[in-house]
Amino acid sequence: NAGVTQTPKFRILKIGQSMTLQCTQDMNHNYMYWYRQDPGMGLKLIYYSVGAGITDKGEVPNGYNVSRSTTEDFPLRLELAAPSQTSVYFCASSPETGDYGYTFGSGTRLTVV
Amino acid sequence: DQQVKQNSPSLSVQEGRISILNCDYTNSMFDYFLWYKKYPAEGPTFLISISSIKDKNEDGRFTVFLNKSAKHLSLHIVPSQPGDSAVYFCAAHTSGTYKYIFGTGTRLKVLA
Repeated sequence: NAGVTQTPKFRILKIGQSMTLQCTQDMNHNYMYWYRQDPGMGLKLIYYSVGAGITDKGEVPNGYNVSRSTTEDFPLRLELAAPSQTSVYFCASSPETGDYGYTFGSGTRLTVV
Repeated sequence: DQQVKQNSPSLSVQEGRISILNCDYTNSMFDYFLWYKKYPAEGPTFLISISSIKDKNEDGRFTVFLNKSAKHLSLHIVPSQPGDSAVYFCAAHTSGTYKYIFGTGTRLKVLA
């Protein structure tokens, strides 16, 4: 059981480049989330999805886009990368909200130079 | 506006003693709280949760206490072990929403 798989683990982007962070879960969870963690800060929600075809913005969505064409996949797209997007990105999933904890991926460390 | 606060960035405890990690929140609408543990280069791992209708929840060496009047929760680890050394995040949630608000984390170091 792989859980939540994120690729790549590390990436360096130049300012203005674009990329897609991949996230796949094999637990048939309906809810999926993208968070970013900046040094000394908590996790900030970028986007979330409550099921295939349904996505919504979180606290810090600017500069990102998502899609959810299947239950398993929830890719995060960065368009026109900026240094402010240097962060560690975590994808997570859960079967429901409430006191069901998230299952997190191992993260993608992104540096924009 | 930090709705969930962990005011201690770090904590050191001797092996075998109790570790107490604290978390304060400002939003009285929060009704579920969770603690996550995070090792370096890994994603956070769900540890324990508590609903606002309870004031205590226990799971082995881990106990979470909730004081709603003070808007405060704490995680007790007894006895602390070196493998508990990690960053601990508290998170809070309101029914009907789809997101948890995370604190900034407390780095726990358990000294052998």
